Amino acid sequence: GNSVTQMEGPVTLSEEAFLTINCTYTATGYPSLFWYVQYPGEGLQLLLKATKADDKGSNKGFEATYRKETTSFHLEKGSVQVSDSAVYFCALRDDKIIFGKGTRLHILP
Amino acid sequence: EAQVTQNPRYLITVTGKKLTVTCSQNMNHEYMSWYRQDPGLGLRQIYYSMNVEVTDKGDVPEGYKVSRKEKRNFPLILESPSPNQTSLYFCASSPLLGNDQPQHFGDGTRLSIL
Repeated sequence: GNSVTQMEGPVTLSEEAFLTINCTYTATGYPSLFWYVQYPGEGLQLLLKATKADDKGSNKGFEATYRKETTSFHLEKGSVQVSDSAVYFCALRDDKIIFGKGTRLHILP
Repeated sequence: EAQVTQNPRYLITVTGKKLTVTCSQNMNHEYMSWYRQDPGLGLRQIYYSMNVEVTDKGDVPEGYKVSRKEKRNFPLILESPSPNQTSLYFCASSPLLGNDQPQHFGDGTRLSIL
């Protein structure tokens, strides 16, 4: 069946550092891929998405590219801020919706 | 404003006392779902519904019930809660068709079963 694997956290970085959170998937069909962000005390909210191979999703300085050849959708940001501290979930949607286990990110000032 | 509303946000109760967590969405979405979030386990789907009167088990349905009598509402029912159901619960909705449609989440309900 379909699955999503993302790097385990927590990830701790200093402000202005470069961020990568790895996400790989297995799918039999042609899923759409998503990154969601969960700030403390809140529900998940969509950060970005990509619907087909080689698409790049971007939002709030975050980017992720749908790589079919490596079945990956890694999240990147060039310069993180303290306000980016949150839990990040990678997800796919095909006939079902599958979430990764989440990666907690701490940004130190 | 498009939103998914869950109530209550917090609840502390005792083993065996029936409780209901309500979920309502105002986006006319067909698909609704309940998840629980536990440390180290991420989000696990409890039940989902693809339309009125259509519900299906997710990955961890034991001990839970749901109903979908109206399109906008999808309550989660714990008939006889137990301490292992202490968790953070999220309701979500989305259009049914189109796998490019993201889920819209409520703000969560933190349940503590003593």
